[in-house]
Amino acid sequence: QKEVEQNSGPLSVPEGAIASLNCTYSDRGSQSFFWYRQYSGKSPELIMFIYSNGDKEDGRFTAQLNKASQYVSLLIRDSQPSDSATYLCAVNMGRRSYGKLTFGQGTILTVHP
Amino acid sequence: GAGVSQSPSNKVTEKGKDVELRCDPISGHTALYWYRQRLGQGLEFLIYFQGNSAPDKSGLPSDRFSAERTGESVSTLTIQRTQQEDSAVYLCASSFVQGVKNIQYFGAGTRLSVL
Repeated sequence: QKEVEQNSGPLSVPEGAIASLNCTYSDRGSQSFFWYRQYSGKSPELIMFIYSNGDKEDGRFTAQLNKASQYVSLLIRDSQPSDSATYLCAVNMGRRSYGKLTFGQGTILTVHP
Repeated sequence: GAGVSQSPSNKVTEKGKDVELRCDPISGHTALYWYRQRLGQGLEFLIYFQGNSAPDKSGLPSDRFSAERTGESVSTLTIQRTQQEDSAVYLCASSFVQGVKNIQYFGAGTRLSVL
C-alpha cells in the first residue's frame, strides 16, 4: 500500500461544476495535509493546507479532513478551465518524519468549456 | 530573494559525467528539501535538511547521489557518474517549520537530461 494514494485520473469536469479530488494516507499519526497545484512544466504551488478534522474553505476551494477514515479531499467549486492542472496531495507524517512531506502521485484535472 | 532559486534551469550532460545542481532557499527558512520528478510522475523525496540536525538522506536512490547545505543557506545536489535513468526534473523546496504547519515553497526546478 502506498503511503499517500490518489486517483491519477484524468478527472474531467465541465466548466462551472464542482471538482472533487480525493486522497488517502496510511499513517494514522499523520498531522498535517497539503494540496498543491502543478501546471504542466511548472513547479508545485500551495493551494490549501489543513490539520484539524472538518472543512477549511478558501474562496472556491474547500479542503476536507477525516482523520478517522484517513482521508483528505479537495473540492473546487465553479471550476474554470484555468483550474486544469495536476493536483498533488502531500502529508506530514508527524513524529515518524518531522517536517518531511510524502506526496501522492497526483490527480490530473481537466475542466472543459 | 523572494522565492526559492534553482540553477541551472536546464542541464544536458553525457552519461558518466558528474553534475551539480544548486538551490538557494527563501531567506530565513530553516528546512530545505530535494525532490525528483520523472516525466508524468509524482514527487520523489530525496533528502531533507533541517537547521543543524543531521540530514534525512533516506530518499537518495544510490551512493551516486549526495547533497550538502552550508548552515541555512545554499544547497548543492551532486549526481556522480550520471545514468540515463537520472533524467528528471529536480525540485528544491524550503520551509520555516512551525510544528505541524510546514508549508514548503518550491523552486522552478532543474531539468536534467542525460544523453
